[in-house]
Amino acid sequence: GAGVSQSPSNKVTEKGKDVELRCDPISGHTALYWYRQSLGQGLEFLIYFQGNSAPDKSGLPSDRFSAERTGGSVSTLTIQRTQQEDSAVYLCASSLAGTPSSGNTIYFGEGSWLTVV
Amino acid sequence: AQSVTQPDIHITVSEGASLELRCNYSYGATPYLFWYVQSPGQGLQLLLKYFSGDTLVQGIKGFEAEFKRSQSSFNLRKPSVHWSDAAEYFCAVGHTGGFKTIFGAGTRLFVKA
Repeated sequence: GAGVSQSPSNKVTEKGKDVELRCDPISGHTALYWYRQSLGQGLEFLIYFQGNSAPDKSGLPSDRFSAERTGGSVSTLTIQRTQQEDSAVYLCASSLAGTPSSGNTIYFGEGSWLTVV
Repeated sequence: AQSVTQPDIHITVSEGASLELRCNYSYGATPYLFWYVQSPGQGLQLLLKYFSGDTLVQGIKGFEAEFKRSQSSFNLRKPSVHWSDAAEYFCAVGHTGGFKTIFGAGTRLFVKA
């Protein structure tokens, strides 16, 4: 597609429920990133995919968080047993290949706003 | 460990006035530096980036930034601010071979008439 597409754009869920957030990167982009932005905070790195593999999962805050990517394209971020502190904007981004340092610009989606009540 | 500090949580400037947003980073080698802008309800957009070479880099929308190694800074500037520049600005740092881009907490810019 023309840009990084994320869904849902807004999600309100009850504490303890599971949620899935979807990211459709720009066509042809092999690198995909998930970030979390909490109110008044910067962007917190969650996970990076190169193709379908995730060389860096170090940012996932707990084992309730998981992510997968299939077909080198769409990625799903799953949060199990949601807690109120999970409320944030979850941003997905993609780039052509490799890492930011190889000169590839990261393009961000508009984010999925998650509210846990 | 890499880190990025944006000392100003928010800044207010008058339309037409000059702007400087501060960014300091911590990294052992030559960093790769970025400025992004996030307008209300929008995704993040890259304004400019520094990888090597000329330490003064030009970006979109009339913004520029200067890399100063001695000060570990990468401040963003614009000579004359427009009301449409009101947004949140994020400084970020990456490094060779690294997957992560580390972002600062952001500076929210308000523009008054």
